[in-house]
Amino acid sequence: QKEVEQDPGPLSVPEGAIVSLNCTYSNSAFQYFMWYRQYSRKGPELLMYTYSSGNKEDGRFTAQVDKSSKYISLFIRDSQPSDSATYLCAMHAQGGSEKLVFGKGTKLTVNP
Amino acid sequence: EPEVTQTPSHQVTQMGQEVILRCVPISNHLYFYWYRQILGQKVEFLVSFYNNEISEKSEIFDDQFSVERPDGSNFTLKIRSTKLEDSAMYFCAGISYNEQFFGPGTRLTVL
Repeated sequence: QKEVEQDPGPLSVPEGAIVSLNCTYSNSAFQYFMWYRQYSRKGPELLMYTYSSGNKEDGRFTAQVDKSSKYISLFIRDSQPSDSATYLCAMHAQGGSEKLVFGKGTKLTVNP
Repeated sequence: EPEVTQTPSHQVTQMGQEVILRCVPISNHLYFYWYRQILGQKVEFLVSFYNNEISEKSEIFDDQFSVERPDGSNFTLKIRSTKLEDSAMYFCAGISYNEQFFGPGTRLTVL
């Protein structure tokens, strides 16, 4: 079983739609969960960071973590064409070097 | 807002040659990392660096790889004898309050 699984898509939605992106993981030691946005051949850009379980909202973005199910989600409300990118989930355990383990990324296209 | 910077943006080299990839992390970051991303694949951890020494490395980070912080600001990744399979994007990252910030990457092409 892979440590972090993420449906690679591609996912295509109309402008204004609510987008749901998800990852599952197997390592119960993971405590910190992040969502990055990556444009083609660019560095990952941190969007959301969540510690342990719960929800976090930032503008149009909401991150959810359900540690009991080992499942994390990112919701994008009122999606815009500029949201078109690849979205990566990443996570790490507490302590140690805090190296990130990434999902493969979901490619999202928001059509005007 | 301070950013992680990396140079060069693109490096083309011949197989067997040495390359040095450079990064300038954000000054208040304590941990530094190198990751790589082969085209179409996931971002993979290579090595973490804390207090001027390696704190953890992955199986990918073999004897051909080394890291240095030569002057207190730059952070370098050296690949001694490049192979075709080293072709990838290489990202430097720094951590602040559990959040990791990535540089724009160096695209390494080994011919």
